[in-house]
Amino acid sequence: DAKTTQPNSMESNEEEPVHLPCNHSTISGTDYIHWYRQLPSQGPEYVIHGLTSNVNNRMASLAIAEDRKSSTLILHRATLRDAAVYYCILSPGTYKYIFGTGTRLKVLA
Amino acid sequence: EAQVTQNPRYLITVTGKKLTVTCSQNMNHEYMSWYRQDPGLGLRQIYYSMNVEVTDKGDVPEGYKVSRKEKRNFPLILESPSPNQTSLYFCASSDIAGKTEAFFGQGTRLTVV
Repeated sequence: DAKTTQPNSMESNEEEPVHLPCNHSTISGTDYIHWYRQLPSQGPEYVIHGLTSNVNNRMASLAIAEDRKSSTLILHRATLRDAAVYYCILSPGTYKYIFGTGTRLKVLA
Repeated sequence: EAQVTQNPRYLITVTGKKLTVTCSQNMNHEYMSWYRQDPGLGLRQIYYSMNVEVTDKGDVPEGYKVSRKEKRNFPLILESPSPNQTSLYFCASSDIAGKTEAFFGQGTRLTVV
């Protein structure tokens, strides 16, 4: 099963953009790249997902490398409410989701 | 409102006493799954179900059972709970596994003494 690698933690100042990296060098051609975040005492929350092309939604943007071996979640203007653990996940054809331990984002006021 | 509902939210039980954690979704999703979350280990998949009567093991299925008799419900059964099953459990559902947004429940905190 393909795995992802993320930094354990990152910090950002409020109102500034945040780039959260994810490496997935063993990704296969049919794996979708998903990002979820988990706020304290809550279940994971969907952020964005994509296959090959960059994706934008109201919450964030997803930039996928041309070789698909890495991706970056972009929060355009971090707020205090964005402080959470962010998980980069591949969804393989076997339908097993492998979450990893994610990146804990700290937003500084 | 689109929802995944888990019950109970909190449960303390004793070793060996069978228990069931219920999960229900109101979005007519085909795919449902269970995870456990432990400090330092992130979320690990226990079981998943592609559709009614179709279930398969995730990464940590030992000590758990599931059933999918109806599309909306996916209960997690611990026949003989042990202290190492003390954890935070999440249920999730999605329309098409891996290709669409997944919705998670609020979690069930289980303590086995």
